[in-house]
Amino acid sequence: RKEVEQDPGPFNVPEGATVAFNCTYSNSASQSFFWYRQDCRKEPKLLMSVYSSGNEDGRFTAQLNRASQYISLLIRDSKLSDSATYLCVVGRNAGNMLTFGGGTRLMVKP
Amino acid sequence: NAGVTQTPKFQVLKTGQSMTLQCAQDMNHNSMYWYRQDPGMGLRLIYYSASEGTTDKGEVPNGYNVSRLNKREFSLRLESAAPSQTSVYFCAVSRDSANNEQFFGPGTRLTVL
Repeated sequence: RKEVEQDPGPFNVPEGATVAFNCTYSNSASQSFFWYRQDCRKEPKLLMSVYSSGNEDGRFTAQLNRASQYISLLIRDSKLSDSATYLCVVGRNAGNMLTFGGGTRLMVKP
Repeated sequence: NAGVTQTPKFQVLKTGQSMTLQCAQDMNHNSMYWYRQDPGMGLRLIYYSASEGTTDKGEVPNGYNVSRLNKREFSLRLESAAPSQTSVYFCAVSRDSANNEQFFGPGTRLTVL
């Protein structure tokens, strides 16, 4: 079983739609949680960190459920520019070692 | 202010050849990392350097060596390339080895024939 699992998609949604991604992780000792965005043939870039209380950044909302070991990302009012692969990332304290999920591909259509 | 730079951007090798991938940062960060990304596998950590003078193995270190030349530079060497090492290689940096954001370089696309 992979340490961080995501549905690879693709999720095809129209502009203006709300879309949600989930991710599960297996290591209960995980300490930090992130969503990264990766455009085609580009490097990953941090979208947002995920906090236990949940957090929001504009149209993006991230939630963490430690008991069930899953992380979610909600995107409201989808834009064409949101089309990308979203990587769920989990970290442990030792050496800032991050474990990446395989990514969920989102395609927003006009 | 370039952030994280990697050279070369593309490389094609024959099986058994050697090469060194270079990574440099101007962010004055302490920790540096090498990942490989393969389709469907996600990014996997090859080696990391928590600070200048230290290096440690990650998840997939076999077939690779690293050198933390100074605070700015962290190189990855393939001594005898194999087709299984065909991948996209990313260097990343973070402020330190606590749970901080990692900033990635643009990547090196390597093909081993």
